[in-house]
Amino acid sequence: AQKVTQAQTEISVVEKEDVTLDCVYETRDTTYYLFWYKQPPSGELVFLIRRNSFDEQNEISGRYSWNFQKSTSSFNFTITASQVVDSAVYFCALRRGRSNSGYALNFGKGTSLLVTP
Amino acid sequence: ETGVTQSPTHLIKTRGQQVTLRCSSQSGHNTVSWYQQALGQGPQFIFQYYREEENGRGNFPPRFSGLQFPNYSSELNVNALELDDSALYLCASSLAGQTNTEAFFGQGTRLTVV
Repeated sequence: AQKVTQAQTEISVVEKEDVTLDCVYETRDTTYYLFWYKQPPSGELVFLIRRNSFDEQNEISGRYSWNFQKSTSSFNFTITASQVVDSAVYFCALRRGRSNSGYALNFGKGTSLLVTP
Repeated sequence: ETGVTQSPTHLIKTRGQQVTLRCSSQSGHNTVSWYQQALGQGPQFIFQYYREEENGRGNFPPRFSGLQFPNYSSELNVNALELDDSALYLCASSLAGQTNTEAFFGQGTRLTVV
């Protein structure tokens, strides 16, 4: 079974604070892909990052960074020096690695981030 | 912008009616997936279409059906609407055969069933 848990329902921070969004996943597959998407109030899901199960290298993109740890089945997302524009719902998602499984993404319930001035 | 467009953006229907939602995929993408997102929840996979055939389905009843056209655009049809069908419906396009690619989402259609 594939499952993604985002235990933090809502987070509120003041601008310029760092914030980490947690994601824990469950899968029996050896090959899989993990994703983070951002959903602003407009509704569209905006792709942020994809990480495959064989690549545990952490990644940094500007103020965003991701920490992937297979030992704890976690794929956490950190925003450094948060800004008001970062306010959105963030989703972590898991996808099976087999090409014949389609592109079905299993999403967590999301974490709503509010950044106030 | 992702290049994935959905229509309409909002829709109100009465319980028992039928509805058709439309999606144009991103240029070069040949696979379309549909998701249902209830308020406060993560998106749930409905089904996927590739080469005009359904090739993956989530836990949704048969009254949820779809089509994919030769230009890779797609429709989601829902018959006998129920109140619980009220949700944001998201379409995503991707490129089949590329397991390490991402899906790009449209802005969604917000369906309200009254």
